[in-house]
Amino acid sequence: DAKTTQPPSMDCAEGRAANLPCNHSTISGNEYVYWYRQIHSQGPQYIIHGLKNNETNEMASLIITEDRKSSTLILPHATLRDTAVYYCIVRVAPNTGNQFYFGTGTSLTVIP
Amino acid sequence: GAVVSQHPSWVICKSGTSVKIECRSLDFQATTMFWYRQFPKQSLMLMATSNEGSKATYEQGVEKDKFLINHASLTLSTLTVTSAHPEDSSFYICSAKGARGTEAFFGQGTRLTVV
Repeated sequence: DAKTTQPPSMDCAEGRAANLPCNHSTISGNEYVYWYRQIHSQGPQYIIHGLKNNETNEMASLIITEDRKSSTLILPHATLRDTAVYYCIVRVAPNTGNQFYFGTGTSLTVIP
Repeated sequence: GAVVSQHPSWVICKSGTSVKIECRSLDFQATTMFWYRQFPKQSLMLMATSNEGSKATYEQGVEKDKFLINHASLTLSTLTVTSAHPEDSSFYICSAKGARGTEAFFGQGTRLTVV
């Protein structure tokens, strides 16, 4: 079962930062936060994951609150191609075969 | 990231027939594969998890005799939808993860239409 809550939809102006929130108030100490996105009619694409420290890669930044009950995915300069459904997932221990359960996600629309 | 290839991308079949969908990890050994189903405007629903050489573990409510999963090698898993019916029409997506990898990589999905 998904253990995350996300707003159903968000808009963002092209070129601006997109900040996508995720609530995971029941997260356990050994659970990581993962973010994936799904562009229409394609398979999900991995974006980033983290445990408690903030993480950054070429696609995005992940900010996790100190109590780990929520996080924010930041796309620093949104483009039209970033329009997609973004999923926040919590999952135990990355080096295992544990499942990825998807919640309802946030549909992000980047507006020209 | 790693590449997972799913085949076919789309398939139309007659009601009562069986359909096989393949999922291959092209550049890594997938010790675990996941199969999902997605209906229009809904999220991905996990159907089953399979570890190489072992029987798949099915999620509650998923019929294991209808959705046959084989994961006989570290690079290939198959999902067979047996005796397909129109209500089985959906977008089926596989995902693969290596033993040391921290993330799962997804195939492009297979759109199944049963007529």
